[in-house]
Amino acid sequence: GDQVEQSPSALSLHEGTGSALRCNFTTTMRAVQWFRKNSRGSLINLFYLASGTKENGRLKSAFDSKERYSTLHIRDAQLEDSGTYFCAADQGGRALIFGTGTTVSVSP
Amino acid sequence: DMKVTQMPRYLIKRMGENVLLECGQDMSHETMYWYRQDPGLGLQLIYISYDVDSNSEGDIPKGYRVSRKKREHFSLILDSAKTNQTSVYFCASSSGQNSDYTFGSGTRLLVI
Repeated sequence: GDQVEQSPSALSLHEGTGSALRCNFTTTMRAVQWFRKNSRGSLINLFYLASGTKENGRLKSAFDSKERYSTLHIRDAQLEDSGTYFCAADQGGRALIFGTGTTVSVSP
Repeated sequence: DMKVTQMPRYLIKRMGENVLLECGQDMSHETMYWYRQDPGLGLQLIYISYDVDSNSEGDIPKGYRVSRKKREHFSLILDSAKTNQTSVYFCASSSGQNSDYTFGSGTRLLVI
C-alpha cells in the first residue's frame, strides 16, 4: 500500500487565514521534506526535517517519526502561497517517497 | 548559486520518436534521480544514479533508460516515446543519505 498518505488533496484559503497539511506514514521514516510546486512548475524546497519543527516565515513544519506523521502549517496565507504542496519521506532507502500532493488555492 | 538545471523546459514529440532529457547540477552531488509527476500520483521514481555509470532502476523504469558519464550530468532517454509518457519530469540530486534533495524546474513532455 501507499507509504505516504497526504491530506487534504485540495485546500481553499482566504488571504490572511491559515491551515495545515498533513502526511501520515505507514512505516518509520528517517526524515521528511516538503516542497511547493509553483505556477511555473518548479519544485521549491521548503523544509527538510529529521525531527522536531522548523519555521520559515509564515510556514512551519513538524515531523514526528515515532508517531509517523508530518505537518505543514500555513499562517496568514497570501496569494503567492497558492500551488501544489508535496511531502516526501526519506525511509533511509534509495530515494524519497512522495505524497500525492495538496493543491492550495488562496483567494482574496 | 547551487542548483539543478533541466533542459528543455518544454518538449513536444511524436509517438515513436527518441527523447533526450538532460539534467545538470553544480553541487558535486553523488546521487541523482529522475522522477515523473502525474496528477494524483505524486512523483514516481524512474531511475537513480549513485555516481558515474552506477545507475539503478526506480519504481517505474519501463520505457526509459539513463546515462551518467559525468557526475554533474544525468540524462533520461526515451528510445521510442509513447503517449503515456506524457508527463512532467523532474531531476533531483542529493549528497547522499541524511541530506535534502534539490530539484530541477521540471521538463514538461507531450507525446502526440
